[in-house]
Amino acid sequence: QSLLTQPPSVSAAPGQTVTIPCSGGGADLGNAVSWYQHVPGTAPRLLIYDNDKRPSGVPDRFSGSRSSRSFKSATLDITGVQAEDEADYYCGTWVRTLELFGGGTRVTVL
Amino acid sequence: DVQMVQSGGGLVKPGGSLTLSCVTSGFSFKDAWMTWVRQGPGKGLEWIGRIKTAPFGETTDYAAPVSGRFAISRDDSKNTLFLRMSSLTTDDTGTYFCTTAVLHFDKLGWGAFDSWGQGTVVTVSP
Repeated sequence: QSLLTQPPSVSAAPGQTVTIPCSGGGADLGNAVSWYQHVPGTAPRLLIYDNDKRPSGVPDRFSGSRSSRSFKSATLDITGVQAEDEADYYCGTWVRTLELFGGGTRVTVL
Repeated sequence: DVQMVQSGGGLVKPGGSLTLSCVTSGFSFKDAWMTWVRQGPGKGLEWIGRIKTAPFGETTDYAAPVSGRFAISRDDSKNTLFLRMSSLTTDDTGTYFCTTAVLHFDKLGWGAFDSWGQGTVVTVSP
């Protein structure tokens, strides 16, 4: 069981906004959060790093945010979700010398 | 372009061993902390472990489920990462990915996984 909690699934119609929370379960993990998109059978793709930064080539409909004072939660928003965004999404962070992934959220575009 | 090509997966019996390889190009391998991630059937991504670079003593860290059974190593002369797996159980079945941070780091210098191998399937079955 991951220390980072995500809802197992979310769904939305094309064009709507999808919000995926990532919770540290009340604990302040304190470190930067990344977000990954994973289509089964392919390699995961980095969407967001350092809480809210987007790598070159990632569409601006993907955005990340985090509580300004401490990491108790972070959020990935997909504004104007598209059919091609149907995938699994994972938050990730690091704690001391180890790294963690959230349990993952399956996004279904209706 | 960054390339990470994996090999070595396959079918192995419980209690057996297997070694995965990840041959890289397109970035400075000797300067990269290298990581293995896996995904079991119907499960999410799971961080397995990491090996740091030579200036950091090539220190390794492992997730609890694999600590003592898996060993990560690197050959900087061949730009290659290895994962030696032993005492395998059916819970180790899954797709294994090598990954690293090439371009994207947080304010503390900790990397986000922006480069990945294609994945290799390991099946542990009697």
